[in-house]
Amino acid sequence: EVQLVESGGGLVQPGGSLRLSCAASGFTFSSYWMHWVRQAPGKGLVWVSRINSDGSSTSYADSVKGRFTISRDNAKNTLYLQMNSLRAEDTAVYYCARDGDSSSWYWFDPWGQGTLVTVSS
Amino acid sequence: NFMLTQPHSVSESPGKTVTISCTRSSGSIASNYVQWYQQRPGSAPTTVIYEDNQRPSGVPDRFSGSIDSSSNSASLTISGLKTEDEADYYCQSYDSSIVFGGGTKLTVL
Repeated sequence: EVQLVESGGGLVQPGGSLRLSCAASGFTFSSYWMHWVRQAPGKGLVWVSRINSDGSSTSYADSVKGRFTISRDNAKNTLYLQMNSLRAEDTAVYYCARDGDSSSWYWFDPWGQGTLVTVSS
Repeated sequence: NFMLTQPHSVSESPGKTVTISCTRSSGSIASNYVQWYQQRPGSAPTTVIYEDNQRPSGVPDRFSGSIDSSSNSASLTISGLKTEDEADYYCQSYDSSIVFGGGTKLTVL
């Protein structure tokens, strides 16, 4: 069974940092693009970042560019999101998602259960 | 970049058919695949349609997707509505970036 389990969320002050992790199992992690998608409380889904299968190519939404860094460790089957200079508007549930197909980079399946990040003083 | 616009909410009775639209603001809807995700309250999203009209295994054939170049929009149609279909539905597409629609709340009453 394919599983994605996020961790690392919590309460952080504005300007602070947090690192999210996503542990993957049940598939060949090193063959897939991976993504982070977030959802502010009561709001819609927003794509945050993606990384290719070997970690050599990354992309970010404009709202997080320069502050967030996506990375992966294929030996540990783990995806990361390093979040720096956090703002109140970064408060959201952060979902890890695998790309839907090993040959694509543009859709999400499956998704993890999400981890809540709250940025507040 | 472009935007995807969905109706805020739709409602229909059990057993009926409902269609949710998703209109692309610029660029052709046919240029890049459209996906649809279902999100029930308190749960992570799941895929109901990918690549315009493909259903993942396990998704019932009551769910179908299509695109219409004349209106530059995509549609998700759910037939034989069940109360369990009540959820938020999001369309998603891409160019150099990945874009979601704002979501549509489906009420089955």
